[in-house]
Amino acid sequence: AQTVTQSQPEMSVQEAETVTLSCTYDTSESNYYLFWYKQPPSRQMILVIRQEAYKQQNATENRFSVNFQKAAKSFSLKISDSQLGDTAMYFCASASVGAGSYQLTFGKGTKLSVIP
Amino acid sequence: NAGVMQNPRHLVRRRGQEARLRCSPMKGHSHVYWYRQLPEEGLKFMVYLQKENIIDESGMPKERFSAEFPKEGPSILRIQQVVRGDSAAYFCASSARGSGSYNEQFFGPGTRLTVL
Repeated sequence: AQTVTQSQPEMSVQEAETVTLSCTYDTSESNYYLFWYKQPPSRQMILVIRQEAYKQQNATENRFSVNFQKAAKSFSLKISDSQLGDTAMYFCASASVGAGSYQLTFGKGTKLSVIP
Repeated sequence: NAGVMQNPRHLVRRRGQEARLRCSPMKGHSHVYWYRQLPEEGLKFMVYLQKENIIDESGMPKERFSAEFPKEGPSILRIQQVVRGDSAAYFCASSARGSGSYNEQFFGPGTRLTVL
């Protein structure tokens, strides 16, 4: 079984500043993926970034990057140059790879507000 | 290329009625996942289906809930005799394939179910 924990229910950041969202996970699987999803007020789930556990290099997507600490089972999201459109709920998620289903396990989310 | 379609977007039912939620996966996708999001919570996995097969229903409540993904037509999540606790957003996601490696799940816009 996998668990994902997000310890920051809410955060805020000034426009153009940098913010880091925390996530820890627990899994007994050796092969797994980690994700950050964004859910704006429209409620559409949007994939922000993903990380394969076997890759040591941290994933980056434009202004979004992760700090993946495998031994510590930590997977934080850094948003640089925050924009008003980044205001949303952010969910950390994991999925194991192998036989069976590839269900995503989500954390409870962090509500991010970008302040003008 | 249309994304994952869900309908209806909003559904209101009285206690004891049946709710039918439909999901049409992206073109070329034959794997469907259903997730439920309770207020102020992350998404929780319910069921994983391939065409005409239920692969993993470990997250589905044992009573009143059922899912299908027929050879032709959309996937259906059916909730019989709804109760107020069923009020939630129900998301469908589809992927190209599910074994051997992880394939991204693309989410639909969700169906918001309200039970009066």
